[in-house]
Amino acid sequence: DGGITQSPKYLFRKEGQNVTLSCEQNLNHDAMYWYRQDPGQGLRLIYYSQIVNDFQKGDIAEGYSVSREKKESFPLTVTSAQKNPTAFYLCASSILQGEAFFGQGTRLTVV
Amino acid sequence: QKEVEQNSGPLSVPEGAIASLNCTYSDRGSQSFFWYRQYSGKSPELIMFIYSNGDKEDGRFTAQLNKASQYVSLLIRDSQPSDSATYLCASAGGRRALTFGSGTRLQVQP
Repeated sequence: DGGITQSPKYLFRKEGQNVTLSCEQNLNHDAMYWYRQDPGQGLRLIYYSQIVNDFQKGDIAEGYSVSREKKESFPLTVTSAQKNPTAFYLCASSILQGEAFFGQGTRLTVV
Repeated sequence: QKEVEQNSGPLSVPEGAIASLNCTYSDRGSQSFFWYRQYSGKSPELIMFIYSNGDKEDGRFTAQLNKASQYVSLLIRDSQPSDSATYLCASAGGRRALTFGSGTRLQVQP
């Protein structure tokens, strides 16, 4: 099955803890993206990558970090510097300038 | 000014009517435009994409693009209650990442 897989579906983070969200795709897409969605809001871009070993900050990159060591994988780390991390996180992939396909999302909650 | 703007709604239409969703964009370098549907608590799913000026039809959906006016729209004919969702407009171009509007919530009344 071709697709994009995010894990875990639900994640709980304690104050001051770093957590990593996984995103894997087997669509052979060059571009991958991380978006954050708050309740009733649109998608805000955190980071994106258009090629292995390269990535760019989006609109709300502070408190987040990413890596792109393999074409298939684009993990997102939510660091303790992100003061309000509770949100729905969406990973997507696409060919360059093409339509993006989304994973099922990770719902992160601070406890 | 946001790069992609949408009216947040809600847009309410009766069942069987045509729903018209609109989107404007600010970057004239944008080349590709997409409409996504998102049900509450779910991830967005692609409905249509359009690259050229004019209309593109797919079943009950028609996307319209006017690059001179920097305007994209989505028409949904014969609207059904199952079409009730948030519709997201997105644009892409050059090396810029896919950029989304904040979405329009559509309510189809039975």
